[in-house]
Amino acid sequence: AQSVTQLDSHVSVSEGTPVLLRCNYSSSYSPSLFWYVQHPNKGLQLLLKYTSAATLVKGINGFEAEFKKSETSFHLTKPSAHMSDAAEYFCVVRDNFGNEKLTFGTGTRLTIIP
Amino acid sequence: DAMVIQNPRYQVTQFGKPVTLSCSQTLNHNVMYWYQQKSSQAPKLLFHYYDKDFNNEADTPDNFQSRRPNTSFCFLDIRSPGLGDAAMYLCATTRSGGAEETQYFGPGTRLLVL
Repeated sequence: AQSVTQLDSHVSVSEGTPVLLRCNYSSSYSPSLFWYVQHPNKGLQLLLKYTSAATLVKGINGFEAEFKKSETSFHLTKPSAHMSDAAEYFCVVRDNFGNEKLTFGTGTRLTIIP
Repeated sequence: DAMVIQNPRYQVTQFGKPVTLSCSQTLNHNVMYWYQQKSSQAPKLLFHYYDKDFNNEADTPDNFQSRRPNTSFCFLDIRSPGLGDAAMYLCATTRSGGAEETQYFGPGTRLLVL
């Protein structure tokens, strides 16, 4: 079985300051991990993914995430927040044992303060 | 360069009046998914097609059905929409068999039930 816990339902940061969105996962097998972003009334856009290659993954719009197996974490970071980063962020896990299904976290709403 | 296309983007229907949402893809992916996403919640998987094989989630309501006439198209039929079915409906696609395969989401159809 697999599960995802996003530790914060809301995060607020000032424009230009660092962003940290936390995610912990549980998986019986070697997982793939994803971060998706969703702007209001839009679909989900892939930010980045981890698939057992490099543990530090760089994504679009300056975001990156580090896979830490010992901590079962996959936190999303960005050095400097931009107003356009305000959105909902979902951490997602996929078990790579013949199961194509995704398990979503409950989401973190990121607010950027001008 | 749209890859997963959903029509319409907004759909208004009346209580109990059947409605069909459509999804098409230009990626030639063999797996297609329908998700329901209610306000401030994570997407919830309703069905997925693995090639032509239909897979229904255990808790998908009986008045939800799906059709996939060919690789490119997939439809979601709601036979008798209730007020609780108002939500964003997301279509996604992937290619099966690889750990690196990502689910690509369409922009969604927002359904309003009056």
